[in-house]
Amino acid sequence: DARVTQTPRHKVTEMGQEVTMRCQPILGHNTVFWYRQTMMQGLELLAYFRNRAPLDDSGMPKDRFSAEMPDATLATLKIQPSEPRDSAVYFCASGLVVYEQFFGPGTRLTVL
Amino acid sequence: AQSVTQLGSHVSVSEGALVLLRCNYSSSVPPYLFWYVQYPNQGLQLLLKYTSAATLVKGINGFEAEFKKSETSFHLTKPSAHMRDAAEYFCAVSGQGGKLIFGQGTELSVKP
Repeated sequence: DARVTQTPRHKVTEMGQEVTMRCQPILGHNTVFWYRQTMMQGLELLAYFRNRAPLDDSGMPKDRFSAEMPDATLATLKIQPSEPRDSAVYFCASGLVVYEQFFGPGTRLTVL
Repeated sequence: AQSVTQLGSHVSVSEGALVLLRCNYSSSVPPYLFWYVQYPNQGLQLLLKYTSAATLVKGINGFEAEFKKSETSFHLTKPSAHMRDAAEYFCAVSGQGGKLIFGQGTELSVKP
């Protein structure tokens, strides 16, 4: 049963600390998406990659957020420095067929 | 630009009653349309999708949706609600570059 995996599932950190979230897309999928979900804003697309190349990161605060795909089996989302307003659930999704996306379980981030 | 409007942030039905979750879309090109479900503390899971084939689409767990171009709608229905259907439901439309544009979500409650 192929699934998107995300680590860690929960992260509590203090303001100013660096946070790294990892995602392993489904093997063979060539597109990876990063979303953020909050009560106030709902589901927001932060960035996405196709064949490991960034296609769109316009939804991401550039000064503190960065997203990379070091290889086809790993996508990372980093926040440095973190702020309380970054508290949210961060989802990774992967896909192969255009538009169909499979979501991971999410990383729940709390920044104190 | 593409957009999605989900009418009603919260819908409550009795067990066994009809479920109707409303979604209207805006798209300058023929759209692909999706419904996703999110159970508590989980990622989004694809319920069904419309990709320009049959206008009545059947999905998992007894859900279906009908694409109505004249009404720019893609409402989700289920004849008889179960307690396990309680979750948040998201409608999405295809955007540029393989992105999905999500609605704000509708929380479905099922009363015994």
